[in-house]
Amino acid sequence: EPEVTQTPSHQVTQMGQEVILRCVPISNHLYFYWYRQILGQKVEFLVSFYNNEISEKSEIFDDQFSVERPDGSNFTLKIRSTKLEDSAMYFCASTLAGGFTGELFFGEGSRLTVL
Amino acid sequence: QKEVEQDPGPLSVPEGAIVSLNCTYSNSAFQYFMWYRQYSRKGPELLMYTYSSGNKEDGRFTAQVDKSSKYISLFIRDSQPSDSATYLCAMKGGGADGLTFGKGTHLIIQP
Repeated sequence: EPEVTQTPSHQVTQMGQEVILRCVPISNHLYFYWYRQILGQKVEFLVSFYNNEISEKSEIFDDQFSVERPDGSNFTLKIRSTKLEDSAMYFCASTLAGGFTGELFFGEGSRLTVL
Repeated sequence: QKEVEQDPGPLSVPEGAIVSLNCTYSNSAFQYFMWYRQYSRKGPELLMYTYSSGNKEDGRFTAQVDKSSKYISLFIRDSQPSDSATYLCAMKGGGADGLTFGKGTHLIIQP
């Protein structure tokens, strides 16, 4: 069964460092998303991406964040200068039809710990 | 007022019981309603999806949406220990906007 894969599963970084989280969405999907979940809190929408550009972004997705689809398979989230409050689980998701069946497929997540 | 409210639990029931999970919401623009299951330290897994009001059944799971009351439910029949997980409701309006999640209900099915 096709799945969304994310790397790394866990990354520990120092405050102020840049982090890149990587995702390989399901191959025929067209819409890509990043969500985050701070421990014990809700899953929160960060950004949606379609046709090589951002479709929507939340207020969490400030200038420290960027997304990119550098090739035909990868979808990355970059945090330029990490802060302690960026510590969270980051989930990548993809779907075939963005608007919208609700059938988002999530990866297993990348846990980011900022020290 | 929070957009989506969900009792975090934990909700503990014996095996075989019928489980009822609920969410309320305030944004009348929401049109798509989903239930996800999340095991510890894993990604959410889509269980049920409903558009607008009505019921949808899939095996042991039934999803209900009452847009007039801004209330959605998930029922699990013949609950199994393997159903023990956190259940997240999620919803959205039209377009490319993201899902708005509830906080999740931690469900424990006792063997």
